[in-house]
Amino acid sequence: DIVLTQSPDFLAVSLGERATISCKSNQSVLFTSNNKNYLAWYQQKPGQPPKLLFYWASTRESGVPDRFSGSGSGTDFTLTISSLQAEDVAVYSCQQYFNLPFTFGPGTKVDLK
Amino acid sequence: QVQLQESGPGLVKPSETLSLTCTVSGVSISSHYWNWIRQSPGKGLEWIGYVYYTGITKYNPSLKSRVTMSVDTSKNQFSLKLTSVTAADTAVYFCARRGLCTDGNCQGYNNWFDPWGQGTLVTVSS
Repeated sequence: DIVLTQSPDFLAVSLGERATISCKSNQSVLFTSNNKNYLAWYQQKPGQPPKLLFYWASTRESGVPDRFSGSGSGTDFTLTISSLQAEDVAVYSCQQYFNLPFTFGPGTKVDLK
Repeated sequence: QVQLQESGPGLVKPSETLSLTCTVSGVSISSHYWNWIRQSPGKGLEWIGYVYYTGITKYNPSLKSRVTMSVDTSKNQFSLKLTSVTAADTAVYFCARRGLCTDGNCQGYNNWFDPWGQGTLVTVSS
């Protein structure tokens, strides 16, 4: 199985400041024939299901604010919130769909400082 | 608007079978692949498997021997059965659709999940 690790586990950020979350894979999720990274990002608020933010590592889902960005390739990926808003307090998880079984990272909790 | 809603018993006894149904509205169940995913405090999010209306299934090898998924097109529902449950199967169970391919170039690899149902907590206890 592909193992995804995230760092940090917990991140406290002031309103308007940048939040940066890392997701690392123990093997590449880049499919070289189409140059796509098979990685998604989700946001999960308490008591709610995960909400898709990005797929193909950097393709923003419709309706996701542009203060969110996804980047990276191969084994190293980053989710950035450029200016944290109160409604962004949540757990953020990455997911790979390069290989079966599909797997998730353990999540990073983002809260207000 | 596509919506998914899980239903089933919230309490299952050890060694018995967990059975859940996901009711889909807003889209034909025959048009997409459908997934079950669970979330427990100890293991985070875990993909259980997917099913297509033709009967195509893929299961997580860690659960494969105990999992069965099926689709009922007449009710626009799909279901999950997990046999021989233990306390380790206690989790919130979500159903989710395979993500939409908007650029026509996914080649069937659009295996992100969107949307999700609200989830249902299943506790395994005697």
